[in-house]
Amino acid sequence: DTAVSQTPKYLVTQMGNDKSIKCEQNLGHDTMYWYKQDSKKFLKIMFSYNNKELIINETVPNRFSPKSPDKAHLNLHINSLELGDSAVYFCASSQEGRADYGYTFGSGTRLTVV
Amino acid sequence: SQKIEQNSEALNIQEGKTATLTCNYTNYSPAYLQWYRQDPGRGPVFLLLIRENEKEKRKERLKVTFDTTLKQSLFHITASQPADSATYLCALRMDSSYKLIFGSGTRLLVRP
Repeated sequence: DTAVSQTPKYLVTQMGNDKSIKCEQNLGHDTMYWYKQDSKKFLKIMFSYNNKELIINETVPNRFSPKSPDKAHLNLHINSLELGDSAVYFCASSQEGRADYGYTFGSGTRLTVV
Repeated sequence: SQKIEQNSEALNIQEGKTATLTCNYTNYSPAYLQWYRQDPGRGPVFLLLIRENEKEKRKERLKVTFDTTLKQSLFHITASQPADSATYLCALRMDSSYKLIFGSGTRLLVRP
């Protein structure tokens, strides 16, 4: 199946822990993104990579670090987790120059910090 | 400040009627605007794109309009069905940026 897949789907962890979320797309897209959706359902861009190059780096705590080993993968590592990091994190991909196809989103990772 | 506003209250309509959702923005000059559908527990799904030089776009029962003077887009679903119940998000992108910026979405409920 062609898709954006992210793992894990659910992540429950204690404050202070370090965790990673992985994302892979097999659509051949050249750009990948991480979005955070808070409890009010507001989707906010965090990072974007185009052909493994970081092109968007929004004002997020430096505890969050994205890594793109190749253009099909974009992982998100979070250090020293805090209660306020609890949210749903979505990975997405797109192909520059093909805006009519929109962004393709993964199904999300629900992170709960306790 | 820059804002994208969608009705925060749910839109509740009878099956068969036309649903109209609004997206207003301030202090942006978007190159294009997209509409997405999001179901509970799922990621957003792309529906339609309309460019700054287009007034209207249609796809099956969906119609989007874009008025850059009013800084507003309207999203219509004709002959609505209960299966259309979901949250609908508008998103803007500027020419000079890779960022796709989302509104907070409007929940649509279609009663049978």
